[in-house]
Amino acid sequence: QSVLTQPPSVSAAPGQKVTISCSGSSSNIGNNYVSWYQQLPGTAPKLLIYDNNKRPSGIPDRFSGSKSGTSATLGITGLQTGDEADYYCGTWDSSLSAGRGVFGGGTKLTVL
Amino acid sequence: EVQLVESGGGLVQPGRSLRLSCAASGFTFDDYAMHWVRQAPGKGLEWVSGISWNSGSIGYADSVKGRFTISRDNAKNSLYLQMNSLRAEDTALYYCAKDIRAVAGIGGGYDYWGQGTLVTVSS
Repeated sequence: QSVLTQPPSVSAAPGQKVTISCSGSSSNIGNNYVSWYQQLPGTAPKLLIYDNNKRPSGIPDRFSGSKSGTSATLGITGLQTGDEADYYCGTWDSSLSAGRGVFGGGTKLTVL
Repeated sequence: EVQLVESGGGLVQPGRSLRLSCAASGFTFDDYAMHWVRQAPGKGLEWVSGISWNSGSIGYADSVKGRFTISRDNAKNSLYLQMNSLRAEDTALYYCAKDIRAVAGIGGGYDYWGQGTLVTVSS
C-alpha cells in the first residue's frame, strides 16, 4: 500500500489530453514539493516535473504539474504513442522524526 | 554528462549481506543529497534510503531500517548501501538517484538515475 494514491491506469487517444492525480496528506504533499517521473518499459525513471510545477531542461511543455492542498496532478497534452509509460509521483513525508521519501503506486498510461 | 553507475548486485542467500556501490561523475558530487530507490519485479518504485551532501542527515524506509546502512565518500564521488540480513522481499532492481538539492527533506525530486543493479535474495 503506497503512501501516495494514484489511479492504476489512464488512457486517451493520440493528440488528446490526460491528467494523472496523486493524493496524499498534510505530512507529505501538503507540506512538501512534489515531483513526477516517467518510466518507459525496461528503463530507469526520468524526472518530468520537480518542485510541483517546474520542468527540467529538455522536457517539453506538453508536460505540466500542479499542486493543491494534499493533491497533485500531472497533465500531458498532445498525447503521442511514445508517451505510453508508467508515471509516478513522489515527495517527502515528514510524519516521522527522520522523514522519508515516498512514491505513488504508479499509473500506466495507454495511448489508444 | 551526469553518470551514475551502480554495481555490487547479485544472487545472495537469505540472511546474508551485500554492499552496493554507485560511482558518480559529471557533477559536483558533494553538492547534492543522494538516494537509493528500488523496484521489485513488476512493481512500483520504493524509496529505500537517502543521505545529505555531508552525511549529516540520513533516512531509511521502515522496511530496511536496522538492516541497511547508507554512506558516501565525497572524495571518491561514491555512494554505498550496505545491506545485511537480506530477505526475499528485498529482491529488486536498486537505483542510485541524485537529489536536486543538497539536503533531502522537502521533496523536490531526483533528477538523475543510474540504470540499476539487480539484487536477488533466494536460497
